[in-house]
Amino acid sequence: DAMVIQNPRYQVTQFGKPVTLSCSQTLNHNVMYWYQQKSSQAPKLLFHYYDKDFNNEADTPDNFQSRRPNTSFCFLDIRSPGLGDAAMYLCATSRASGRGGETQYFGPGTRLLVL
Amino acid sequence: GQNIDQPTEMTATEGAIVQINCTYQTSGFNGLFWYQQHAGEAPTFLSYNVLDGLEEKGRFSSFLSRSKGYSYLLLKELQMKDSASYLCAVMDSNYQLIWGAGTKLIIKP
Repeated sequence: DAMVIQNPRYQVTQFGKPVTLSCSQTLNHNVMYWYQQKSSQAPKLLFHYYDKDFNNEADTPDNFQSRRPNTSFCFLDIRSPGLGDAAMYLCATSRASGRGGETQYFGPGTRLLVL
Repeated sequence: GQNIDQPTEMTATEGAIVQINCTYQTSGFNGLFWYQQHAGEAPTFLSYNVLDGLEEKGRFSSFLSRSKGYSYLLLKELQMKDSASYLCAVMDSNYQLIWGAGTKLIIKP
């Protein structure tokens, strides 16, 4: 089945210790997104890739970086995690038709705990 | 600014019908999405409306009125597994999704 895969499902890191979350997709979608979601809140878009073009949201902290080495994979790097970065991190993908209305498909998420 | 409003929490009885409302104010409109999210899991796509009217998909229906900036998700024959959060999201003129905070639906036997 075509899908979006995130690893690991749960990640524990220490305050200030760099961590990388990964996402892969078999849908062959152009666009990949990273969202941060805290309990009972809306998902917050951090950045997205349209093919290799990187689009950073204006309010995404510099502490968050991303890499997309190829169509299938995308990584979220948190350089110095703080306690406030504990959240669910969601990867999503969509096609890009340019006509709008393309559905985003989500991976299962990685829950990050910062000690 | 851009804003999506939906009730924080609703309670309904198994077998009944529930309507979850969503109002929005966004810069441009390229469609409205409803997602279901069970606790600790990722959102899953339920429906997409871009034209006014009702879209029916099994037990779930979604309605849109663009002139009123309003949508609702209607769930019929409620089952315990429908207990989840329901997220309303609008695609704006830049094709970015603007998300509501979600409505937590509690189903009681």
